[in-house]
Amino acid sequence: EPEVTQTPSHQVTQMGQEVILRCVPISNHLYFYWYRQILGQKVEFLVSFYNNEISEKSEIFDDQFSVERPDGSNFTLKIRSTKLEDSAMYFCASSDQGQETQYFGPGTRLLVL
Amino acid sequence: GNSVTQMEGPVTLSEEAFLTINCTYTATGYPSLFWYVQYPGEGLQLLLKATKADDKGSNKGFEATYRKETTSFHLEKGSVQVSDSAVYFCALSGGGTSYGKLTFGQGTILTVHP
Repeated sequence: EPEVTQTPSHQVTQMGQEVILRCVPISNHLYFYWYRQILGQKVEFLVSFYNNEISEKSEIFDDQFSVERPDGSNFTLKIRSTKLEDSAMYFCASSDQGQETQYFGPGTRLLVL
Repeated sequence: GNSVTQMEGPVTLSEEAFLTINCTYTATGYPSLFWYVQYPGEGLQLLLKATKADDKGSNKGFEATYRKETTSFHLEKGSVQVSDSAVYFCALSGGGTSYGKLTFGQGTILTVHP
């Protein structure tokens, strides 16, 4: 069964450093998403992406964040200058239609020191 | 905006007990409703969904009915197993201007003892 994959599974970085989280969505899907879950809190929507552009973003997704689909398979989330409060589990998801089921990857646990 | 409220956890049950996890939502229009499950150390997996009022989603013995009159989507299972121990998230998408984005409840930790 096709699945969403994410790399790395864990990342530790110093405050102020740039990080890139990578995702490979399911191959025939057209809609891509990033969510995050701070330890003990809700899963929060960050951004949705369709047709090579952002279709919606949350208040969390400020200028420090960017997304890109650099080729036909990868979908990346970049945090330009990490803060302590960016420490969280980051989930990528994809769907074949905007309102249909989203399939989630296993997540990347980011720790900012 | 859209919001989802789940019952407070954690929930601890003995094997074969009946499970209910309450979920209510606020949304304009007609959202789709979902239950996702997160097993220890893993990502989110879709458990079941319902896309219109009175629909019942079901999977692996779990079920939930989309009740528009009470804006609820409570998760039930008649006889839980130890392997059901996980975190359960109620979520919605659509409804109003929000397209595709999932709005999650806070999650309910379920622990089932033998």
